[in-house]
Amino acid sequence: GIQVEQSPPDLILQEGANSTLRCNFSDSVNNLQWFHQNPWGQLINLFYIPSGTKQNGRLSATTVATERYSLLYISSSQTTDSGVYFCAVGANSKLTFGKGITLSVRP
Amino acid sequence: AAGVIQSPRHLIKEKRETATLKCYPIPRHDTVYWYQQGPGQDPQFLISFYEKMQSDKGSIPDRFSAQQFSDYHSELNMSSLELGDSALYFCASSSWGGTEAFFGQGTRLTVV
Repeated sequence: GIQVEQSPPDLILQEGANSTLRCNFSDSVNNLQWFHQNPWGQLINLFYIPSGTKQNGRLSATTVATERYSLLYISSSQTTDSGVYFCAVGANSKLTFGKGITLSVRP
Repeated sequence: AAGVIQSPRHLIKEKRETATLKCYPIPRHDTVYWYQQGPGQDPQFLISFYEKMQSDKGSIPDRFSAQQFSDYHSELNMSSLELGDSALYFCASSSWGGTEAFFGQGTRLTVV
């Protein structure tokens, strides 16, 4: 099956800092999504981005499908950005998740 | 906008009991997926349905079964519950063909 690797596994930031989260995957996909899991366990859709670049406020994402990686950028981080960030990829409908990146933003 | 609705949100069961989790997809979505997320783990795919037929199967125990009904809602039935079944269970829905999947808020199952 598809392998998904996320890095770094843990990230600690001071409020206001910027960060880049990376997702590598092992095979061609037609679905790639970034999620934020909040402390209550809710999975929040951040981006559906099988290719190209998208921006939503302080967050942006880029997927280079030919090189099998995606990047999530967080700018001017806030304490509410804390949580686990998952990258999930799929060849059709089924998504395979990475292990997640745990982000802690300190005030 | 309507989201994926899961019920119940929390469930406590004893070992060897049975549990039924329900999922109501976003209107006009024809594909439903179930995922299991153990403590500190990433979500793992269990099973999916497209147009009421099973479309894919992951690491779903034989004690679990699922189906999608004519109104597209889905139910995950879990029998002979074990302590290790304690997890967050997510349902997601999408249109068929690799489009964006939207997740429900999850059902937290605790087996005691």
